[in-house]
Amino acid sequence: EAQVTQNPRYLITVTGKKLTVTCSQNMNHEYMSWYRQDPGLGLRQIYYSMNVEVTDKGDVPEGYKVSRKEKRNFPLILESPSPNQTSLYFCASSRRTGEYEAFFGQGTRLTVV
Amino acid sequence: QQPVQSPQAVILREGEDAVINCSSSKALYSVHWYRQKHGEAPVFLMILLKGGEQKGHDKISASFNEKKQQSSLYLTASQLSYSGTYFCGTFNNDMRFGAGTRLTVKP
Repeated sequence: EAQVTQNPRYLITVTGKKLTVTCSQNMNHEYMSWYRQDPGLGLRQIYYSMNVEVTDKGDVPEGYKVSRKEKRNFPLILESPSPNQTSLYFCASSRRTGEYEAFFGQGTRLTVV
Repeated sequence: QQPVQSPQAVILREGEDAVINCSSSKALYSVHWYRQKHGEAPVFLMILLKGGEQKGHDKISASFNEKKQQSSLYLTASQLSYSGTYFCGTFNNDMRFGAGTRLTVKP
């Protein structure tokens, strides 16, 4: 089954404690991206990757890191989380061009206290 | 840069129609439409490519005017299941989404 898998689904952590949210896709997609969703602000792009070892900043990259060492995986790293990073996060993947639909992971609800 | 959606919210009775608009300040290669139920992942509805095409399935259709960099989503004879938040996504070199339109369909 074609899918994007995010883990964990829910996470409560404390300020400053490094964390990683994993994202894996099984469709051999070149394009992967991370979004955060906050009420009234829609899906804001954090980082995206056009292929292995190619990443670029989206609209809200501050406080986040990503890596793309393998085509299937695109982890999101918060080196020192702060309460303003409390949000719902989605990973998505698609074929490289805009002619194909994006597949979303189930979402990760992160709370930083 | 995020595309701009309007309206922010709309409330309908079953059977009524709605239009959701999406515009961008950048030239667009394609426009995507997704629907999200509360707390769930967005679900793909359709893609429109350059060429001013119109697409649709069932009672949901969309148009894309690349010259005006605008797209509209049309929901006709709305059903309760249409409730949710609708996002347009615009693809240039990467995918950006609008802030969403919350659609509520009441009996």
